[in-house]
Amino acid sequence: DAGVTQSPTHLIKTRGQQVTLRCSPKSGHDTVSWYQQALGQGPQFIFQYYEEEERQRGNFPDRFSGHQFPNYSSELNVNALLLGDSALYLCASSLVRGHYPEQFFGPGTRLTVL
Amino acid sequence: DQQVKQNSPSLSVQEGRISILNCDYTNSMFDYFLWYKKYPAEGPTFLISISSIKDKNEDGRFTVFLNKSAKHLSLHIVPSQPGDSAVYFCAGGTEYGNKLVFGAGTILRVKS
Repeated sequence: DAGVTQSPTHLIKTRGQQVTLRCSPKSGHDTVSWYQQALGQGPQFIFQYYEEEERQRGNFPDRFSGHQFPNYSSELNVNALLLGDSALYLCASSLVRGHYPEQFFGPGTRLTVL
Repeated sequence: DQQVKQNSPSLSVQEGRISILNCDYTNSMFDYFLWYKKYPAEGPTFLISISSIKDKNEDGRFTVFLNKSAKHLSLHIVPSQPGDSAVYFCAGGTEYGNKLVFGAGTILRVKS
Protein backbone atom coordinates (compact mmCIF):
# COMPACT_ATOMS: atom_id res chain seq x y z
CA ASP A 1 0.00 0.00 0.00
CA ALA A 2 1.71 3.17 -1.21
CA GLY A 3 1.71 6.07 1.18
CA VAL A 4 1.50 9.70 0.19
CA THR A 5 3.77 10.52 -2.74
CA GLN A 6 4.93 13.93 -3.94
CA SER A 7 6.79 15.17 -6.98
CA PRO A 8 9.23 16.59 -7.68
CA THR A 9 11.57 16.12 -4.72
CA HIS A 10 13.46 19.34 -5.32
CA LEU A 11 12.82 22.38 -7.46
CA ILE A 12 14.73 25.56 -8.16
CA LYS A 13 12.93 28.56 -9.63
CA THR A 14 13.59 32.27 -10.03
CA ARG A 15 11.51 35.14 -8.74
CA GLY A 16 8.39 35.81 -10.76
CA GLN A 17 8.13 32.30 -12.15
CA GLN A 18 5.29 29.87 -11.58
CA VAL A 19 5.53 26.39 -10.08
CA THR A 20 3.29 23.31 -9.87
CA LEU A 21 3.74 20.64 -7.21
CA ARG A 22 1.97 17.29 -7.27
CA CYS A 23 0.63 14.91 -4.65
CA SER A 24 -0.98 11.49 -4.65
CA PRO A 25 -2.82 10.62 -1.44
CA LYS A 26 -2.66 7.40 0.53
CA SER A 27 -4.91 4.71 -0.89
CA GLY A 28 -8.47 5.10 0.36
CA HIS A 29 -8.11 8.74 1.38
CA ASP A 30 -10.34 11.39 -0.15
CA THR A 31 -8.86 14.61 1.24
CA VAL A 32 -5.59 16.36 0.49
CA SER A 33 -4.12 19.18 2.55
CA TRP A 34 -1.09 21.28 1.67
CA TYR A 35 1.31 22.76 4.19
CA GLN A 36 4.30 25.07 3.88
CA GLN A 37 7.22 24.51 6.23
CA ALA A 38 9.74 27.34 6.32
CA LEU A 39 13.17 26.76 7.84
CA GLY A 40 13.02 26.41 11.62
CA GLN A 41 9.23 26.52 11.73
CA GLY A 42 6.39 24.07 11.88
CA PRO A 43 4.17 23.25 8.91
CA GLN A 44 1.63 25.98 8.13
CA PHE A 45 -1.70 25.07 6.58
CA ILE A 46 -2.23 26.41 3.05
CA PHE A 47 -5.51 24.77 1.98
CA GLN A 48 -7.41 21.53 1.83
CA TYR A 49 -9.23 19.87 -1.07
CA TYR A 50 -12.16 17.51 -0.87
CA GLU A 51 -14.47 16.41 -3.68
CA GLU A 52 -12.41 18.50 -6.09
CA GLU A 53 -13.16 21.72 -4.23
CA GLU A 54 -11.25 23.87 -1.78
CA ARG A 55 -12.74 23.03 1.60
CA GLN A 56 -10.60 25.11 3.93
CA ARG A 57 -7.98 27.77 3.40
CA GLY A 58 -5.23 29.16 5.60
CA ASN A 59 -3.76 32.65 5.59
CA PHE A 60 -2.02 32.50 2.21
CA PRO A 61 -2.40 34.92 -0.72
CA ASP A 62 -4.27 34.14 -3.90
CA ARG A 63 -0.95 33.40 -5.62
CA PHE A 64 -1.35 30.00 -4.01
CA SER A 65 -3.97 27.91 -5.75
CA GLY A 66 -4.75 24.25 -6.06
CA HIS A 67 -6.69 21.56 -7.73
CA GLN A 68 -7.95 18.10 -6.92
CA PHE A 69 -8.61 15.50 -9.59
CA PRO A 70 -11.28 12.78 -9.66
CA ASN A 71 -8.67 10.21 -8.52
CA TYR A 72 -8.09 12.41 -5.41
CA SER A 73 -4.59 13.47 -6.44
CA SER A 74 -3.84 17.15 -6.11
CA GLU A 75 -1.71 19.99 -7.40
CA LEU A 76 -0.43 23.10 -5.69
CA ASN A 77 0.30 26.07 -7.94
CA VAL A 78 2.22 29.14 -6.88
CA ASN A 79 2.36 32.16 -9.21
CA ALA A 80 4.72 35.13 -9.20
CA LEU A 81 7.20 33.41 -6.92
CA LEU A 82 8.88 35.43 -4.18
CA LEU A 83 12.10 34.66 -2.35
CA GLY A 84 9.98 34.06 0.76
CA ASP A 85 8.21 31.17 -0.95
CA SER A 86 11.35 29.07 -0.52
CA ALA A 87 10.26 26.26 1.79
CA LEU A 88 9.41 22.60 2.10
CA TYR A 89 5.91 21.97 0.77
CA LEU A 90 4.16 19.06 2.40
CA CYS A 91 1.09 17.22 1.25
CA ALA A 92 -1.05 15.31 3.72
CA SER A 93 -3.96 12.99 3.10
CA SER A 94 -6.84 12.02 5.33
CA LEU A 95 -10.51 11.19 5.39
CA VAL A 96 -13.03 13.95 5.92
CA ARG A 97 -14.83 13.23 9.18
CA GLY A 98 -12.92 9.98 9.42
CA HIS A 99 -12.57 7.84 12.50
CA TYR A 100 -9.01 8.80 13.35
CA PRO A 101 -7.38 12.19 13.72
CA GLU A 102 -4.01 11.76 12.05
CA GLN A 103 -3.10 13.00 8.62
CA PHE A 104 -0.47 11.13 6.63
CA PHE A 105 2.31 13.22 5.17
CA GLY A 106 4.39 12.80 2.06
CA PRO A 107 8.15 13.43 1.97
CA GLY A 108 7.67 16.96 0.68
CA THR A 109 8.95 19.06 -2.20
CA ARG A 110 11.84 21.39 -1.43
CA LEU A 111 11.32 24.63 -3.39
CA THR A 112 14.14 27.12 -3.69
CA VAL A 113 13.42 30.53 -5.21
CA LEU A 114 16.46 32.49 -6.39
CA ASP B 1 -1.38 34.25 15.92
CA GLN B 2 0.56 31.32 17.32
CA GLN B 3 -2.11 29.00 18.64
CA VAL B 4 0.34 26.20 19.39
CA LYS B 5 3.73 26.90 20.93
CA GLN B 6 6.74 24.74 21.61
CA ASN B 7 9.01 26.94 23.66
CA SER B 8 12.03 24.64 23.78
CA PRO B 9 13.90 24.65 20.46
CA SER B 10 16.02 21.69 21.49
CA LEU B 11 16.44 18.98 24.12
CA SER B 12 19.35 16.65 24.78
CA VAL B 13 18.84 13.41 26.72
CA GLN B 14 20.98 10.42 27.60
CA GLU B 15 19.99 7.07 26.13
CA GLY B 16 17.71 5.12 28.48
CA ARG B 17 16.46 8.20 30.29
CA ILE B 18 13.12 9.95 29.91
CA SER B 19 12.54 12.63 27.27
CA ILE B 20 9.81 15.17 28.01
CA LEU B 21 8.69 17.47 25.23
CA ASN B 22 6.28 20.26 26.02
CA CYS B 23 3.62 22.15 24.10
CA ASP B 24 1.26 24.99 25.02
CA TYR B 25 -1.84 26.10 23.16
CA THR B 26 -4.21 29.04 23.27
CA ASN B 27 -7.17 27.79 21.21
CA SER B 28 -9.76 26.13 23.46
CA MET B 29 -11.61 24.88 20.38
CA PHE B 30 -9.10 22.13 19.64
CA ASP B 31 -10.79 18.73 19.86
CA TYR B 32 -7.61 16.70 19.74
CA PHE B 33 -3.86 16.98 19.70
CA LEU B 34 -1.20 15.00 17.89
CA TRP B 35 2.53 14.51 18.05
CA TYR B 36 4.57 13.99 14.92
CA LYS B 37 8.21 13.05 14.50
CA LYS B 38 10.27 14.28 11.55
CA TYR B 39 13.61 13.09 10.27
CA PRO B 40 15.58 15.18 7.74
CA ALA B 41 14.44 14.70 4.13
CA GLU B 42 11.26 12.91 5.26
CA GLY B 43 7.72 14.02 5.93
CA PRO B 44 6.32 14.13 9.47
CA THR B 45 5.35 10.73 10.86
CA PHE B 46 2.41 10.41 13.23
CA LEU B 47 3.32 9.23 16.74
CA ILE B 48 0.39 9.53 19.09
CA SER B 49 -2.79 11.54 19.61
CA ILE B 50 -5.04 12.53 22.48
CA SER B 51 -8.63 13.67 22.55
CA SER B 52 -9.40 16.87 24.43
CA ILE B 53 -11.68 14.88 26.75
CA LYS B 54 -8.82 12.67 27.92
CA ASP B 55 -5.85 13.52 30.11
CA LYS B 56 -3.53 10.69 29.12
CA ASN B 57 -2.86 8.38 26.22
CA GLU B 58 -0.17 5.74 26.09
CA ASP B 59 1.34 3.77 23.22
CA GLY B 60 4.40 1.72 24.00
CA ARG B 61 7.26 4.00 24.98
CA PHE B 62 5.22 7.11 24.19
CA THR B 63 2.76 8.78 26.57
CA VAL B 64 0.99 12.07 26.00
CA PHE B 65 -0.46 14.04 28.91
CA LEU B 66 -3.02 16.80 28.53
CA ASN B 67 -3.72 19.48 31.12
CA LYS B 68 -6.70 21.42 29.80
CA SER B 69 -6.82 23.95 32.61
CA ALA B 70 -3.21 24.93 31.88
CA LYS B 71 -3.64 24.50 28.12
CA HIS B 72 -0.53 22.35 28.15
CA LEU B 73 0.43 18.98 26.79
CA SER B 74 3.58 16.93 27.02
CA LEU B 75 5.06 13.90 25.31
CA HIS B 76 7.05 11.46 27.43
CA ILE B 77 9.40 8.98 25.78
CA VAL B 78 10.66 6.22 28.07
CA PRO B 79 13.26 4.87 27.63
CA SER B 80 14.79 7.21 25.07
CA GLN B 81 16.75 5.62 22.23
CA PRO B 82 19.26 7.14 19.78
CA GLY B 83 16.78 6.46 16.96
CA ASP B 84 14.36 8.86 18.66
CA SER B 85 16.63 11.76 17.67
CA ALA B 86 14.45 13.89 15.40
CA VAL B 87 12.30 17.01 15.34
CA TYR B 88 9.04 16.62 17.26
CA PHE B 89 5.98 18.68 16.42
CA CYS B 90 2.77 19.00 18.38
CA ALA B 91 -0.38 19.97 16.54
CA GLY B 92 -3.98 20.76 17.38
CA GLY B 93 -7.07 20.07 15.33
CA THR B 94 -10.86 20.38 15.32
CA GLU B 95 -13.02 17.67 13.75
CA TYR B 96 -11.11 14.76 12.29
CA GLY B 97 -9.81 15.57 8.83
CA ASN B 98 -9.70 19.33 9.30
CA LYS B 99 -6.57 21.45 9.15
CA LEU B 100 -3.86 20.96 11.75
CA VAL B 101 -2.15 23.84 13.57
CA PHE B 102 1.49 23.02 14.33
CA GLY B 103 4.02 24.28 16.81
CA ALA B 104 7.52 25.25 15.67
CA GLY B 105 9.02 21.93 16.77
CA THR B 106 11.61 20.72 19.27
CA ILE B 107 14.83 19.03 18.20
CA LEU B 108 15.47 15.98 20.38
CA ARG B 109 18.97 14.53 20.58
CA VAL B 110 19.41 11.24 22.38
CA LYS B 111 23.05 10.58 23.24
CA SER B 112 24.37 7.04 23.48
